[in-house]
Amino acid sequence: DAKTTQPNSMESNEEEPVHLPCNHSTISGTDYIHWYRQLPSQGPEYVIHGLTSNVNNRMASLAIAEDRKSSTLILHRATLRDAAVYYCILWVISNFGNEKLTFGTGTRLTIIP
Amino acid sequence: ETGVTQSPTHLIKTRGQQVTLRCSSQSGHNTVSWYQQALGQGPQFIFQYYREEENGRGNFPPRFSGLQFPNYSSELNVNALELDDSALYLCASSLRLGGTETQYFGPGTRLLVL
Repeated sequence: DAKTTQPNSMESNEEEPVHLPCNHSTISGTDYIHWYRQLPSQGPEYVIHGLTSNVNNRMASLAIAEDRKSSTLILHRATLRDAAVYYCILWVISNFGNEKLTFGTGTRLTIIP
Repeated sequence: ETGVTQSPTHLIKTRGQQVTLRCSSQSGHNTVSWYQQALGQGPQFIFQYYREEENGRGNFPPRFSGLQFPNYSSELNVNALELDDSALYLCASSLRLGGTETQYFGPGTRLLVL
């Protein structure tokens, strides 16, 4: 399974931007980069995904390096509700089905009031 | 709110028993995936159903089995429960059209095996 590497934990102050890094040096040309987050006592929640270009949505921005070996999830103004475990996942396209999310241990984000 | 529901929310069983967990997908979704999440770990892929057929399986033994029904609901069955089966079980529904897809997760069923 395609591998991602994330810091175990990060802290950020409320109302400040947060940059969550992810390394995926073995990414191949058709792999999508997905981010999910899991709030306490809830199922994972989709945040954003991209292939090559930077992406923005109402929740976050995704900045993808030119060589695609790393990416950064950007929360523009963190709130207490953004405290969660953030997972960076590669979606590997397959001709044989069995496409799935392969979760690592993620980054636990703590927001300081 | 993803529109994916799971039942029951909590369950206690004893070792050796059998359990059935249920999931109701979003309307129109043709794919359901099941994950097991042990305490402090990320979710681990169990298997996936696409249009009512198993379409991929993770590293789980055959005593983990499932079904997907035409009405978008799904079941996860676990036979001969072991203590290590205690975990949060998550289902996720999605619409597979080729290319990438977004999975929508339910709140999970927390299973405790004594």
